[in-house]
Amino acid sequence: DGGITQSPKYLFRKEGQNVTLSCEQNLNHDAMYWYRQDPGQGLRLIYYSQIVNDFQKGDIAEGYSVSREKKESFPLTVTSAQKNPTAFYLCASRGPGPTNQPQHFGDGTRLSIL
Amino acid sequence: KQEVTQIPAALSVPEGENLVLNCSFTDSAIYNLQWFRQDPGKGLTSLLLIQSSQREQTSGRLNASLDKSSGRSTLYIAASQPGDSATYLCAVGDNSGYALNFGKGTSLLVTP
Repeated sequence: DGGITQSPKYLFRKEGQNVTLSCEQNLNHDAMYWYRQDPGQGLRLIYYSQIVNDFQKGDIAEGYSVSREKKESFPLTVTSAQKNPTAFYLCASRGPGPTNQPQHFGDGTRLSIL
Repeated sequence: KQEVTQIPAALSVPEGENLVLNCSFTDSAIYNLQWFRQDPGKGLTSLLLIQSSQREQTSGRLNASLDKSSGRSTLYIAASQPGDSATYLCAVGDNSGYALNFGKGTSLLVTP
C-alpha cells in the first residue's frame, strides 16, 4: 500500500543529544513537510521541501535540521539546541502537479526527554 | 500571519444528531482549506479539501462549506455515529499553495 512511514513511533532523547526522526513515502510526492504538535495547540510547520535537494524553514525551524537527498525520504534531526523538544512530530507529503492536492500524513513520532 | 480559530474546542452529542463544526480565518487570501480528522495518538486523515474558488465539498455524511469573504468554513456531519469521535482540524493553505496554517481543533465525542 502507498503511504507515509514514520519511525520510530516513540523516541527518547538525553540532554545534549541529537536525534533523527525518519519519514519515508512511496506516493511519488514531490513536496514533504514536518510539523510539530503540542497538547492544546495546532500543528506548527518546522520545515518543508518542494523538491529534492531543496528545503525551506517553517515557523519554528530553530533547533531543527533536515535533508532531502532522495524524493522518498525527508529525515528531521532534533538538535541539542532545541531546548523543548518534547512533542508529537508529524510528517506529511503532497501530490505532484498543481498545488491543490491534499496533504497526507504519517502516524507520527512521539519524542520525550529522558 | 494567518490565524485559524476553531469553535467549539470540544463537543459532546448523542448518536444520530447532525452537527456543525466551525472554522474562521483572518486573511481571506487563501489558496485552499482542508479538513482533517485525528484519532488519539495518530496522524491526520484528510477528509475534505475546498479550493478557494469553490463554495463546498461533500463526501458521504460530511459537507464542508467555504465563505472566503467572511473568513469562515463549516464542517457539517450528518447522523453522527460513535465512530465519528475524534479531533477535527481545519487548515488553511496560503497563496504559495504549500504551507498550511492549522487551527487547534474541535474534540468531538459522540455517545451511544
